[in-house]
Amino acid sequence: DGGITQSPKYLFRKEGQNVTLSCEQNLNHDAMYWYRQDPGQGLRLIYYSQIVNDFQKGDIAEGYSVSREKKESFPLTVTSAQKNPTAFYLCASSPSGGSKDEQFFGPGTRLTVL
Amino acid sequence: EDQVTQSPEALRLQEGESSSLNCSYTVSGLRGLFWYRQDPGKGPEFLFTLYSAGEEKEKERLKATLTKKESFLHITAPKPEDSATYLCAVRTSGTYKYIFGTGTRLKVLA
Repeated sequence: DGGITQSPKYLFRKEGQNVTLSCEQNLNHDAMYWYRQDPGQGLRLIYYSQIVNDFQKGDIAEGYSVSREKKESFPLTVTSAQKNPTAFYLCASSPSGGSKDEQFFGPGTRLTVL
Repeated sequence: EDQVTQSPEALRLQEGESSSLNCSYTVSGLRGLFWYRQDPGKGPEFLFTLYSAGEEKEKERLKATLTKKESFLHITAPKPEDSATYLCAVRTSGTYKYIFGTGTRLKVLA
């Protein structure tokens, strides 16, 4: 089945640690995205990538980093510079051309800072 | 500034009581408007894409409509399993960015 997988489902981070969230898709989509969701707030864009080896900052990129070495993978690193990282993180992908524009989402990773 | 606003923030309905959710948007150019359903602790599930004013899409008890300034998600005779948060998003022309509203939390009581 085609889809997006995220791992782990739950992640706990100590102060000062960097952690990496995994996102993999087998939908053959060119574009991939990372969002952060906080209670009562909409999805806020962290980073997005339209093609391999290229990515752009979203609205809240400070304290985060990404890489896009393969079309299928778009890992997100939450660095120690991110002061309030506790949130629900969602990865999404979408086709970059053709008649379909909708994003498809993974199941999410809940990150908690201890 | 491109913006998406959803109302109401929360809605409680009795089973069978039809209603509508609103998504108003201000964008420089609309590529598409999207509706998603999100259950607690899960990723959003795609429902509809609308591209032009006057367009309508239907799926079971849900019907989405679009005007030049807003979209409505009509829920006809809802059931308790329709309880979820419904998210609206727009993609602006010439970009790959999607702008999301804060959602409407729907609770349908049996």
